[in-house]
Amino acid sequence: ETAVFQTPNYHVTQVGNEVSFNCKQTLGHDTMYWYKQDSKKLLKIMFSYNNKQLIVNETVPRRFSPQSSDKAHLNLRIKSVEPEDSAVYLCASSHRGLNTGQLYFGEGSKLTVL
Amino acid sequence: GDSVTQTEGQVTVSESKSLIINCTYSATSIGYPNLFWYVRYPGEGLQLLLKVITAGQKGSSRGFEATYNKEATSFHLQKASVQESDSAVYYCALSDAGSWQLIFGSGTQLTVMP
Repeated sequence: ETAVFQTPNYHVTQVGNEVSFNCKQTLGHDTMYWYKQDSKKLLKIMFSYNNKQLIVNETVPRRFSPQSSDKAHLNLRIKSVEPEDSAVYLCASSHRGLNTGQLYFGEGSKLTVL
Repeated sequence: GDSVTQTEGQVTVSESKSLIINCTYSATSIGYPNLFWYVRYPGEGLQLLLKVITAGQKGSSRGFEATYNKEATSFHLQKASVQESDSAVYYCALSDAGSWQLIFGSGTQLTVMP
């Protein structure tokens, strides 16, 4: 049963446009994440957000920015998409950081940049 | 930095046969990392299959087993008799104690033939 909800599940857009993906978790977790899964199925962490503390993977381009209104929501905004941004973006949540390793993932948001 | 290696991108096995999916890791922290197997079934989100946080211990779930071998730095996933419903993508992952990051391997697509 899904408890991490992502919208939209698919999005096709052109280079230079702005895109936003929304994520909501109903598990009462205090930490949320965004991962990027590329065409080779590699999963890379992009951001972690815990109690208003943002941790950024230094390899993430500046056009990506997370946005959070409360601990149940963490959206992902891409200011001006590039072709290499085509990927599946996975939102996840956990309780009290990663010490247990139990992440709960959404089904993903697939972005295609033309 | 830390890394996880899965050598098989795709594995095809006949139903009721045994399975091994290889996973080796490299961790830079002084202590031992936590090790995990995640699975993504078709049409579902990525979910935790099993985890082991103590070196030398074995984790098990849904008939799958994995043993934390700190000498070989391995965490291979095994099942004695696979079923068609086991067809999915399997990811090995690690986290260092206190780290905010979960590092994933490249994933192994398992196809079980009837």
